[in-house]
Amino acid sequence: KQEVTQIPAALSVPEGENLVLNCSFTDSAIYNLQWFRQDPGKGLTSLLLIQSSQREQTSGRLNASLDKSSGRSTLYIAASQPGDSATYLCAVSPGNTPLVFGKGTRLSVIA
Amino acid sequence: DTGVSQNPRHKITKRGQNVTFRCDPISEHNRLYWYRQTLGQGPEFLTYFQNEAQLEKSRLLSDRFSAERPKGSFSTLEIQRTEQGDSAMYLCASSSSPEKLFFGSGTQLSVL
Repeated sequence: KQEVTQIPAALSVPEGENLVLNCSFTDSAIYNLQWFRQDPGKGLTSLLLIQSSQREQTSGRLNASLDKSSGRSTLYIAASQPGDSATYLCAVSPGNTPLVFGKGTRLSVIA
Repeated sequence: DTGVSQNPRHKITKRGQNVTFRCDPISEHNRLYWYRQTLGQGPEFLTYFQNEAQLEKSRLLSDRFSAERPKGSFSTLEIQRTEQGDSAMYLCASSSSPEKLFFGSGTQLSVL
């Protein structure tokens, strides 16, 4: 059974810092990996999707990497801003089956 | 607004009552998913439709839960005889491929 773990569970940083969120998964046979953002009491917004054949994806200040063989992904956020404060969720797709999510990392960026 | 729409946004009910939630997916999406999320946890898969066919159900979906998607358009999720443990955010997502899911804002259920 696929399990997804995210470390740290919570993170607080001053504005302007670069930061890294970590995600690990137990079964390397994945179809793709996605990073989502969730604001309190809201739904999820997809940030980046990495196919299993890819190593990384970039969108603005966000960069996600994937090392499928070791079962790891990182989300790098450059020059963090207070508006980045949210919960970041990692999810893997085992194939033609539903996404499996981690518990998320709750990020607070302090002005 | 062409996003995924969920109603109601919030529902407070007493234990033992039945509740029904509705999800309107993005119109051209043939896949529809229901997830449940409790505080501090990631979303957990409940069930999945492709068009009107319910193709997969999680073991989390007890016999008190039923989901439908008539005509392959909107979907409803009904919980009968609600229990306090059913309190959670119920999230709906739709997609046109297995790859990218678009989520609604969710329905927050509180069972008193």
